[in-house]
Amino acid sequence: DAKTTQPPSMDCAEGRAANLPCNHSTISGNEYVYWYRQIHSQGPQYIIHGLKNNETNEMASLIITEDRKSSTLILPHATLRDTAVYYCIVRVRNYGQNFVFGPGTRLSVLP
Amino acid sequence: EAGVTQFPSHSVIEKGQTVTLRCDPISGHDNLYWYRRVMGKEIKFLLHFVKESKQDESGMPNNRFLAERTGGTYSTLKVQPAELEDSGVYFCASSQVGTDNEQFFGPGTRLTVL
Repeated sequence: DAKTTQPPSMDCAEGRAANLPCNHSTISGNEYVYWYRQIHSQGPQYIIHGLKNNETNEMASLIITEDRKSSTLILPHATLRDTAVYYCIVRVRNYGQNFVFGPGTRLSVLP
Repeated sequence: EAGVTQFPSHSVIEKGQTVTLRCDPISGHDNLYWYRRVMGKEIKFLLHFVKESKQDESGMPNNRFLAERTGGTYSTLKVQPAELEDSGVYFCASSQVGTDNEQFFGPGTRLTVL
């Protein structure tokens, strides 16, 4: 079973920042936080991952609380193409382990 | 660099028939995974290959499903005989051994069993 809790849906205005929360209160010390998204009818797409420090790449930023029990994925300037289901997954960075997907958050970016 | 490819993109078969799905991972990726999403449910792991060896097949639903990866390159997933509840989208993913930060997913095969 998924070890994370996410809101089922969120809306965001185009051009604004989208902040997607995730609770992972039972996260272990060796588990990373990964974010994936699935745009309609496509395969899941990797976004970002982190252990305890905040991370940023060309797609998004990941903010992890100091106690690591929750995190926030930030899309700084959401576009219509960011409409998708976003999955927060905790996983040991044990080479080869599969991902366990929960229901995710359906983000709708509105014009 | 080509991504993970899957064939066919769609398959419609009748209950009791056989279907074979194919996945071509990214070149050089020794890890290969199969996942599926059935209607209304979450994406679920099926199995994991490292090269040609099955590392973990704990997610395979029953013995009607057979996965192979001969030669450690492409993989096939055969469903025989197909049942109505097998309908869904089957995803394949691959990753490099030793740098398993992310798994690259293919576009999926949509299987419809009538």
